[in-house]
Amino acid sequence: DTGVSQDPRHKITKRGQNVTFRCDPISEHNRLYWYRQTLGQGPEFLTYFQNEAQLEKSRLLSDRFSAERPKGSFSTLEIQRTEQGDSAMYLCASSLVGRVTGELFFGEGSRLTVL
Amino acid sequence: GEDVEQSLFLSVREGDSSVINCTYTDSSSTYLYWYKQEPGAGLQLLTYIFSNMDMKQDQRLTVLLNKKDKHLSLRIADTQTGDSAIYFCAESYNQGGKLIFGQGTELSVKP
Repeated sequence: DTGVSQDPRHKITKRGQNVTFRCDPISEHNRLYWYRQTLGQGPEFLTYFQNEAQLEKSRLLSDRFSAERPKGSFSTLEIQRTEQGDSAMYLCASSLVGRVTGELFFGEGSRLTVL
Repeated sequence: GEDVEQSLFLSVREGDSSVINCTYTDSSSTYLYWYKQEPGAGLQLLTYIFSNMDMKQDQRLTVLLNKKDKHLSLRIADTQTGDSAIYFCAESYNQGGKLIFGQGTELSVKP
């Protein structure tokens, strides 16, 4: 299967710990996005990359959050000193610049629970 | 600003038509999208419409776009129990890059 894959699918951690999520996009896609989704809400934009360059970060993204895409392929999202409010589903998506419709292809998400 | 609004719930009987509504803010959006999210699954693109179109039909799905009012709707004909899911409207904000999503409409189809 060549869809977007995310790892781990579920993570339970204690407040104050650091967590890291990984996303592998569709192989030919040059854009990669991170979104956060809480219960009853739509996906909320966090950041996106074109190749290895981080082009935009949401103002909602605190300095405890950092994302990288070092070789323009997979990406990691790290959350330092987790807080209970960080509990959410973290979604990764990818797209291909130049594709006419510009739609995003989503992974199944990484669910974070902070105790 | 970035804001996409949807009603939260819709309940219909199997065989009826469903209409899910959405309002958006960015008049420069090139495309507008409808995504579907089933329980435990990722978001999947259902359909989209180019901003210079008023209507798009795709089998049981009809998308209507009113650019003047920044209003988008999704009509599902002959709704089936398998259509029960959360439907998200999204706009391509600022002509590219990220998509901005509404909060989702939960569609419940009763037999």
